[in-house]
Parts: sequence; structure tokens; C-alpha cells
Amino acid sequence: DQQVKQNSPSLSVQEGRISILNCDYTNSMFDYFLWYKKYPAEGPTFLISISSIKDKNEDGRFTVFLNKSAKHLSLHIVPSQPGDSAVYFCAASAHAGGTSYGKLTFGQGTILTVHP
Amino acid sequence: DGGITQSPKYLFRKEGQNVTLSCEQNLNHDAMYWYRQDPGQGLRLIYYSQIVNDFQKGDIAEGYSVSREKKESFPLTVTSAQKNPTAFYLCASRAGGEDKNTEAFFGQGTRLTVV
Repeated sequence: DQQVKQNSPSLSVQEGRISILNCDYTNSMFDYFLWYKKYPAEGPTFLISISSIKDKNEDGRFTVFLNKSAKHLSLHIVPSQPGDSAVYFCAASAHAGGTSYGKLTFGQGTILTVHP
Repeated sequence: DGGITQSPKYLFRKEGQNVTLSCEQNLNHDAMYWYRQDPGQGLRLIYYSQIVNDFQKGDIAEGYSVSREKKESFPLTVTSAQKNPTAFYLCASRAGGEDKNTEAFFGQGTRLTVV
């Protein structure tokens, strides 16, 4: 049961353009969402997060949008740079009690390639 | 420096042997996590712990065991019952408790290879 899904295994964009990475979730108990960036053989590094009480959070070139009714979130990177090339993971956690309390669940990841 | 440390970086194990991966954090975080990543795969949750002396199974706990005797330490044992142990293992910690909406910090990972 994949509760967090990133349906696009890869994305290729031109430098300077917008990169849009998508993520869907099924567990309605999730109330906090995060995006991570990962290079091979390294641990993921945190990029940006959003609470379920918001629908948008912005940090520099990175913006995360949350659509609770659709159980969908997206990460926008504008403008994209070659150094952004990496694997991007979305993650979700629940704090409303129940068996999922504190669990941090990741998607499968999307490989982003930004071409110069 | 505050951070989360995994050791060793590379580990080789013979089939049928148990092996323990170390994870230590000095961030004073309550919550700790173990994930496994296989080539081309996402991060799959093995075990997690919200507080000392308590832990829960994740999505792929079979063949693994953990302990949480100290706040700063969350070792993972890969037992001989784990059918496909070769993978990249990642440990993470998170503030937890009242600071529920926080990011998790990851270690640099341990590459386990069964020979």
C-alpha cells in the first residue's frame, strides 16, 4: 500500500525554465508534507515543507503547493539550474494519533535533470 | 557540530550472519527512523521510534530488529532472516514531541553488501 506516490520517475527541463514535481497521497491523516533532494550514495537533504493548514509555502526558488481536496502536492523550482539535478522525494507525516502517528513516509522519488 | 552519524559507510556481510548498523545523533531529537533504499527505488521505512524504549515497525520490518535504549542511539540489526539485505540504509532523526512539524535530518548512509 503505497501511501505517498510520485508517478513520474523522471523529469527533464532546460536551464532557466520551471521544474514541476508532483506527489499524491492517500492517507487523509497526513498533515505535514516535506520535499527532499538526494544525490547518489548520500543522505537526503531537506528543501521545503508545508503544513496542512496552508496551501502554499515559498522559499527562494522553491515553492510547494498543497491541494488537500485532491490529496496532491507539487514542488515548483523557478528558475531551474543545472545544480538542481538530483532525485527529489516527497514525504508525509501524521500527528493526529492512530497507528500512523509520527510515521514519516516517502514517495519513490523523481529524477530531475536540468540541461544547460 | 550537531548532526547524525551513521557507521560504517560500507559494510560487507557473509550470508547467514547478523550485522548491526550504527546511528547516533547529538541533536537532542526524540524521533529516529531507519529507511532502506534499493537501486531505482524510493525510501522504504523499516522501523521508527518516537521516544526512548519504544519503537514501531515500519512497512518492511521483517528480518530487521532495533533497540532504543538511549535517546541519541538507534542501532539497526539486519538478521539472517532478511532475504535481500544488500541495500543502502539511511538513518534519520526528527525533533518530535511538541515540535511535531519539523524536518527530519539524515545521516550519510551505510552501504551493506552481502557476499
